[in-house]
Amino acid sequence: GQQVMQIPQYQHVQEGEDFTTYCNSSTTLSNIQWYKQRPGGHPVFLIQLVKSGEVKKQKRLTFQFGEAKKNSSLHITATQTTDVGTYFCADTNDYKLSFGAGTTVTVRA
Amino acid sequence: GAGVSQSPSNKVTEKGKDVELRCDPISGHTALYWYRQRLGQGLEFLIYFQGNSAPDKSGLPSDRFSAERTGESVSTLTIQRTQQEDSAVYLCASSYANYEQYFGPGTRLTVT
Repeated sequence: GQQVMQIPQYQHVQEGEDFTTYCNSSTTLSNIQWYKQRPGGHPVFLIQLVKSGEVKKQKRLTFQFGEAKKNSSLHITATQTTDVGTYFCADTNDYKLSFGAGTTVTVRA
Repeated sequence: GAGVSQSPSNKVTEKGKDVELRCDPISGHTALYWYRQRLGQGLEFLIYFQGNSAPDKSGLPSDRFSAERTGESVSTLTIQRTQQEDSAVYLCASSYANYEQYFGPGTRLTVT
């Protein structure tokens, strides 16, 4: 199936700084969903991107879908300790999600 | 409203025993999914149910794994003759119209 690669695997961020995590594919993605999993918790849906070049914002989070629909990014500004967790992207192929391995974010206060 | 629930939350079993994991989806959600998540890794698709259609079992790793769903309600995932490599968190998710998935808290399975 579709292989989605996420980089970096780990992101250590100083509180207050910005960072970006990436989701890449060698083939065209259908739609992209992003999920967040807090330590010890379960994945929680954040957003879905459908259109080429689409940009959506949720407070300090900005999600972008590449023009060629082969990559997506999540940018977090002014990182807070509540941003700790693993962020997964998933390619949606009809009903099936193909998840990347995730980017695990830790925050230094 | 109530979210997706799973039971048990933790299960410790001896190698070779059978286990049954339960998932109660959100009422009205026609789609139900099972995933496996090994420690520090991503989510591995196991099986998908949609209404009365034949399930997509393409992710089941071996014939020791099976799952059933009664209509659009409860689902059970059964692992027979458990092996140590089956140790993982098993997550259930449900969705309406194949949009965002709502995950349950998972069952942590440990095979000793």
